[in-house]
Amino acid sequence: DGGITQSPKYLFRKEGQNVTLSCEQNLNHDAMYWYRQDPGQGLRLIYYSQIVNDFQKGDIAEGYSVSREKKESFPLTVTSAQKNPTAFYLCASSGQGPGSQAFFGQGTRLTVV
Amino acid sequence: SQQGEEDPQALSIQEGENATMNCSYKTSINNLQWYRQNSGRGLVHLILIRSNEREKHSGRLRVTLDTSKKSSSLLITASRAADTASYFCATDDSGTYKYIFGTGTRLKVLA
Repeated sequence: DGGITQSPKYLFRKEGQNVTLSCEQNLNHDAMYWYRQDPGQGLRLIYYSQIVNDFQKGDIAEGYSVSREKKESFPLTVTSAQKNPTAFYLCASSGQGPGSQAFFGQGTRLTVV
Repeated sequence: SQQGEEDPQALSIQEGENATMNCSYKTSINNLQWYRQNSGRGLVHLILIRSNEREKHSGRLRVTLDTSKKSSSLLITASRAADTASYFCATDDSGTYKYIFGTGTRLKVLA
């Protein structure tokens, strides 16, 4: 089945911990994205990557880090520097140039305990 | 913020009625897209309209685009309870790979 997979679905983090959210796609897409969604809100871009070994900050990159070592994978690390990490995180990919259709994973809900 | 806005923020209608939601954006675009999100799930692509198109149809969906007003509308005809979801518009940021999402319209269709 082709698609984009996020894991885990639910994640709990203690204060001061770093956690990593996984995002894998087998769509052969060049571009991948991470968004944050707060309750009742729209999506805000954290980081995006247009090609392997390259990524750019989005609008709310502080407290987050990413890597793009493989075309299929774009993991997001939520660091202890992110003061309010509780949110729903969505990963997406697109492959046909700027402004083409994006495919989304099912999301990871992160809660700080 | 570059974020666009959908209007209304929330909409409640009876099954069988039409639902119209609007989107305004700020930058010049190549395409505008509409997505649907069921509660607690990822987004699903509905329709894409290019900047040189004015109207597009897909099943019960009709999308219009007015680039002079930087606005778009999504019409869902003969709504069903299963259409209950949040709907977002997304624009490309001046031909880059960045998508800019609106704040969403929460649609509730009552059976």
